[in-house]
Amino acid sequence: DGGITQSPKYLFRKEGQNVTLSCEQNLNHDAMYWYRQDPGQGLRLIYYSQIVNDFQKGDIAEGYSVSREKKESFPLTVTSAQKNPTAFYLCASSIGTAQYTGELFFGEGSRLTVL
Amino acid sequence: DAKTTQPNSMESNEEEPVHLPCNHSTISGTDYIHWYRQLPSQGPEYVIHGLTSNVNNRMASLAIAEDRKSSTLILHRATLRDAAVYYCILRGAFYNQGGKLIFGQGTELSVKP
Repeated sequence: DGGITQSPKYLFRKEGQNVTLSCEQNLNHDAMYWYRQDPGQGLRLIYYSQIVNDFQKGDIAEGYSVSREKKESFPLTVTSAQKNPTAFYLCASSIGTAQYTGELFFGEGSRLTVL
Repeated sequence: DAKTTQPNSMESNEEEPVHLPCNHSTISGTDYIHWYRQLPSQGPEYVIHGLTSNVNNRMASLAIAEDRKSSTLILHRATLRDAAVYYCILRGAFYNQGGKLIFGQGTELSVKP
């Protein structure tokens, strides 16, 4: 079945360590997105990519980095510069044509806890 | 980015209709109105979207005001599985905003048996 796979589902990290969250999609979508969600809050956009080898910062990009070397993959690295990294991270994708304004497909999320 | 305003929470009885309101007074002409819902510890699920006309699908109906400054998501017969946080979001045209979704706080819907 087509969809978005995020891994790991749960991740623990010590302060000062970088960690990379994986996001893979087999929907042949051009656009991919990373969101962060804190308890009781809505989602906030970290980074998004409209095409391979290109990405833009969202509203809260500081302390995060991404790459888009392949169409199906959009990994997110949470660096030690991110002051409050404990959160629920969600990856999404959508068709990326200029005329498309339809739905985003979301993964199941990765919950990161900093010890 | 244009913003939306929703009530923090609403209650409904099972098998009754639910009307979830959303205000978006600064909506631009090219913004689509999207609705998603989210269960705890899961990714959001698409519900419905529209531009100007009312829309229906198997999950819900979307009623859009004539001036587009507000909209209402209608669940025709609420079930216990409809209990979730519902987000009303404006999606800009892909070519100038990356098609990104800006989420607000959402409405937490509880359904009583």
